[in-house]
Amino acid sequence: GQQLNQSPQSMFIQEGEDVSMNCTSSSIFNTWLWYKQDPGEGPVLLIALYKAGELTSNGRLTAQFGITRKDSFLNISASIPSDVGIYFCAGQDAMEYGNKLVFGAGTILRVKS
Amino acid sequence: ETGVTQSPTHLIKTRGQQVTLRCSSQSGHNTVSWYQQALGQGPQFIFQYYREEENGRGNFPPRFSGLQFPNYSSELNVNALELDDSALYLCASSYGTVNSPLHFGNGTRLTVT
Repeated sequence: GQQLNQSPQSMFIQEGEDVSMNCTSSSIFNTWLWYKQDPGEGPVLLIALYKAGELTSNGRLTAQFGITRKDSFLNISASIPSDVGIYFCAGQDAMEYGNKLVFGAGTILRVKS
Repeated sequence: ETGVTQSPTHLIKTRGQQVTLRCSSQSGHNTVSWYQQALGQGPQFIFQYYREEENGRGNFPPRFSGLQFPNYSSELNVNALELDDSALYLCASSYGTVNSPLHFGNGTRLTVT
């Protein structure tokens, strides 16, 4: 079945640092999405990417849809304490089961003490 | 604009019992998907409903079933509960079934003892 490998599994951030995480797949996806999940809440959509090569920004967040359609990355610039949480990548294959999303295992962002 | 709402927020059941979880989709959305999120993992697709019919199913046994109503709200039913069914159950809504980002509710935390 389809699998997404998300890395790193976890990382520590210090306020002001830039953060980068990525996702790779064994399958091609037509859409890549990035979500953030805080404790006790559902995932919140950050960025949606619809075309191979597309680079999209949402404030301090930038994400890219890889040319091969098998990978995506998310960058967070100048991190702030509220960036802490779990970030998930998700691939969406419009040819299979409508809007079915395949999720990575998540990247946990923690504050460096 | 009303977001996705789920009820109840928490539930404790005994092995072998049956459970019904409820979801109201975001206004303007006509498609509902259900996901299971085990602790420390990404959400896994259970099934999707569009126009009151199942429109795709993940790798879950038949004791997981659902309904969608004319107002686009939905129910997830699980029969013969097992300990491994303990998880966060997420409902997501979208408009249509192709290239439409999913918006998630905050989930129902089900504990099976």
